Amino acid sequence: GEDVEQSLFLSVREGDSSVINCTYTDSSSTYLYWYKQEPGAGLQLLTYIFSNMDMKQDQRLTVLLNKKDKHLSLRIADTQTGDSAIYFCAESMGYGGATNKLIFGTGTLLAVQP
Amino acid sequence: NAGVTQTPKFRVLKTGQSMTLLCAQDMNHEYMYWYRQDPGMGLRLIHYSVGEGTTAKGEVPDGYNVSRLKKQNFLLGLESAAPSQTSVYFCASSSQGGSNQPQHFGDGTRLSIL
Repeated sequence: GEDVEQSLFLSVREGDSSVINCTYTDSSSTYLYWYKQEPGAGLQLLTYIFSNMDMKQDQRLTVLLNKKDKHLSLRIADTQTGDSAIYFCAESMGYGGATNKLIFGTGTLLAVQP
Repeated sequence: NAGVTQTPKFRVLKTGQSMTLLCAQDMNHEYMYWYRQDPGMGLRLIHYSVGEGTTAKGEVPDGYNVSRLKKQNFLLGLESAAPSQTSVYFCASSSQGGSNQPQHFGDGTRLSIL
């Protein structure tokens, strides 16, 4: 079945690294995404990784993909208070033969302590 | 630089009332989506559209109808609102349906049904 799981909460100190983890079940997913949701706002695409990649780095963000274990992680280096938000992992899969359906995790609330 | 715009941002309804949520995008995207976000459940796809004049059911379509009369607009209707439809509703769009085309989200509509 389709299922994406994340831990609910992570607390870090400003300046430390944050690692948010995600597990998924559909091995046929071609892309995996990380979205950020700030209070009262919509989802902002942070980064995504193609399933044939192991790692993708984008400034302070590093995405690691372990396809064998169906495990995805997002590392935020030098975490800032502005990084406090809910982070959603999502896997993509074909849906109805014509479109990309996103299966979202429940989200991880990242709290950054000054 | 509007992107995806949702109106209204907040609404309170009584059980049995009807209303329409409007989503507009100015990116000339073909695909549009309506999701609902509930605590502990991530985002779930209600309906989607692969182009002007087309609509299709997502995973939780019951109690909702949609229309895509113009490419830039995707309307979500509740004919007879129920308390179970209290949620935050997000619209998204993507240029195509392939899984390498990220979805762009609006800021959400917070709907309470009393």
